[in-house]
Formats: sequence, structure tokens, C-alpha cells
Amino acid sequence: TQLLEQSPQFLSIQEGENLTVYCNSSSVFSSLQWYRQEPGEGPVLLVTVVTGGEVKKLKRLTFQFGDARKDSSLHITAAQPGDTGLYLCAGDLGGKLIFGQGTTLQVKP
Amino acid sequence: SAVISQKPSRDICQRGTSLTIQCQVDSQVTMMFWYRQQPGQSLTLIATANQGSEATYESGFVIDKFPISRPNLTFSTLTVSNMSPEDSSIYLCSVAANTEAFFGQGTRLTVV
Repeated sequence: TQLLEQSPQFLSIQEGENLTVYCNSSSVFSSLQWYRQEPGEGPVLLVTVVTGGEVKKLKRLTFQFGDARKDSSLHITAAQPGDTGLYLCAGDLGGKLIFGQGTTLQVKP
Repeated sequence: SAVISQKPSRDICQRGTSLTIQCQVDSQVTMMFWYRQQPGQSLTLIATANQGSEATYESGFVIDKFPISRPNLTFSTLTVSNMSPEDSSIYLCSVAANTEAFFGQGTRLTVV
């Protein structure tokens, strides 16, 4: 049983398109984080959301934390080939990070 | 922030042998975490390594198969014992600092 359900697991789009990745759980998290990972490297933190309903923007990336702190979304506007990578959501559960399945994003020029 | 050095970065090992992966952090941290990741897939927590006490293992992982050492606040090792091809994976160590997790670059293990 996956504690954090992330969808879609694979996404291939054209440059300039918008996309949204979802991360859902039945558990409440004290915080939720989004990471991006490139081949041969460890994941790198993009953002941490802590407050229910919180929205954070990072250039073309918009992150939202659900009101009940059980779900989150990542929206990318006008995707670029440089956005290609593995995106992971992770929930803080008592000091341990639990990861979703990951979304492999491919942005074609 | 924290900088993590992990080695080896990759290895090809014979089945039945063991490999020890080292993780060095540039600052003192209370907890270090070891994850396993299949290429292109998510991370699965193996265990939490605490200095001065035994590691805490997640369901499906046991100390005999993945012994962990934590001799001080900046260093940890994970051993993959009696390897089989099913152990082929990427192994990552991680630390938490100010609610952010930092990761080593990973060890890509292939068991033949």
C-alpha cells in the first residue's frame, strides 16, 4: 500500500504546455515537500509546504497544499526541456520522509 | 545546508558477496537515513541510523541483510550482505536539516 499516491507516474509533453502533478494521501502530514531528481544525482528540494491551503510559487512552478494537509499539487506553466526530470513528493511523518511513486516528466522541444 | 559525500558511486558485485557504502556529512546531524531507489522510481526508506544506538529498520528490511554503522555524528555505513541480483538498485543516504532533506549522489549497485 502506497502511503502517498502520486499521479501521473509518467508525462511526456511538448515545450510550452502546462501540466499538473498530484500527490494524495489519507494521512495528515506536518509538512509536504517536492523534490526534483536528475539521473545520477540525489533528489533536490524544490519547496516545503506546511500550512493547509498554502500556495507557493517558484518561477513557473506553483505548489499547493490541501486544506486538510493530506494532498498537494505541483503545476508547471509553459514547460521547458530543462524541466525534464523525476519529480517526487514527500510527506513528513514523525520525522521520516515518505515518498510518493514519483512522476517522470519529459518535455520535448 | 548539508553536503553529503557517498562512495562508491557505483559498483558491480558478484552474488553472495557484501558491499559497504559510506556516507560522510560536512556537519553533525542526529539522524541519517538510508534509502533504496530503482532507476526512475521512488525512494523506499530502509532504515534510520542514530548515533549511539541501533538503527531503526522499516518493514521489509532487516539488520542481518542491511547492517548499519553510525560511529559518530558525521558518518554512517550501510552494508548490503549476501547480495543477490534483486539487490541491484541505487542506494542513497540522506540527512535532514531545518526541515529540508539533503541527499548523497547515490550508489548504483549491480549484482551479477
